Amino acid sequence: EADIYQTPRYLVIGTGKKITLECSQTMGHDKMYWYQQDPGMELHLIHYSYGVNSTEKGDLSSESTVSRIRTEHFPLTLESARPSHTSQYLCASSEGRGGNQPQHFGDGTRLSIL
Amino acid sequence: GQSLEQPSEVTAVEGAIVQINCTYQTSGFYGLSWYQQHDGGAPTFLSYNALDGLEETGRFSSFLSRSDSYGYLLLQELQMKDSASYFCAAPTDKLIFGTGTRLQVFP
Repeated sequence: EADIYQTPRYLVIGTGKKITLECSQTMGHDKMYWYQQDPGMELHLIHYSYGVNSTEKGDLSSESTVSRIRTEHFPLTLESARPSHTSQYLCASSEGRGGNQPQHFGDGTRLSIL
Repeated sequence: GQSLEQPSEVTAVEGAIVQINCTYQTSGFYGLSWYQQHDGGAPTFLSYNALDGLEETGRFSSFLSRSDSYGYLLLQELQMKDSASYFCAAPTDKLIFGTGTRLQVFP
């Protein structure tokens, strides 16, 4: 039973389109994250948030932006999609601000930009 | 910089024991986590070592040595369903993931 939801599950879209990937969690977690992962490769942190109105850039440079207006919602937006954005995007959340809390992942969005 | 290095691939047969190593270089080290990810799936949390030594959870055990900046995940009585990618991860102010190890279990 998933407590963190990502939509859409798959998206194929043309270059130049604006895209918003949705992520919601029902666990009341403060911390939320976005990762980018190519098949068989490591996870790269692109954005994270400690709570409402808090957003930080991760280790991997990304042309995307995020917002955190509500605790449960952490959408990621690409203003103008490019083929280089083709990848899997994983959203995660964890309880509290302690670094040792396990992260709970959504099923991911597989994005293909034509 | 911060990095966690793992072997890219490990193979084994059903019923065997396999060890997946992780060497790390991080600042503000709190402990070491392990995650499992099946092809097409999401990573799932397996274990966390805050202290040196061995932590056992069923068929899986995880070990940490802070003095050696080293840890490993030990999988016993391997099953086909254990074929997946395994990531070590170190929490800092966020979570830094390792390079990942793909485990293939053969019958």
